[in-house]
Amino acid sequence: AQTVTQSQPEMSVQEAETVTLSCTYDTSESDYYLFWYKQPPSRQMILVIRQEAYKQQNATENRFSVNFQKAAKSFSLKISDSQLGDAAMYFCAYRNSYNSNSGYALNFGKGTSLLVTP
Amino acid sequence: NAGVTQTPKFQVLKTGQSMTLQCAQDMNHNSMYWYRQDPGMGLRLIYYSASEGTTDKGEVPNGYNVSRLNKREFSLRLESAAPSQTSVYFCASSYSSLGRYNQPQHFGDGTRLSIL
Repeated sequence: AQTVTQSQPEMSVQEAETVTLSCTYDTSESDYYLFWYKQPPSRQMILVIRQEAYKQQNATENRFSVNFQKAAKSFSLKISDSQLGDAAMYFCAYRNSYNSNSGYALNFGKGTSLLVTP
Repeated sequence: NAGVTQTPKFQVLKTGQSMTLQCAQDMNHNSMYWYRQDPGMGLRLIYYSASEGTTDKGEVPNGYNVSRLNKREFSLRLESAAPSQTSVYFCASSYSSLGRYNQPQHFGDGTRLSIL
């Protein structure tokens, strides 16, 4: 089974600064997808950004970007110009093209709690 | 613009009671999932339904059953609730297919379930 590791249980950043959240994963597959989800205190799971493994170009969504290192199996999230509303739990998730044991389900890391200070 | 709707949002049960968590999506997705989230853990897959008419076990299926009632609805049943099943439950859906077709999962708002 694929495992996803987020080594930073908590991170803190000042407003307007940049922070990077780490994620590594273990897989023997060559084709897969990676995601970052945000979970604010409201408990919603909100998709932040996604990356296809076959694409070399790193994904970017406004202030959010990733550093995808396929050979190192690393998928970090960079948040630029941090805002108070970015405070949340962030989950890294992995998905195979298809897995006979889990379909198209996501494998999640344990999450990183991001605190944004004024 | 409902997306994925879960009911109820909160529930307290006594050990041994049964209940069904309901989930419905209006996005015409073929795949649906049930996850549980425990403190300090990411979401873990309980059951999934890759398409209408099929269901399969995920990582933590013990103590649960599911029904894919139709394309829209996917319910999760606890037959005899145990304190270890105290958790937040999320339903999700996606359009999924083999090959390079990447559609993200959409999540409901979760059900907080406490079992005393």
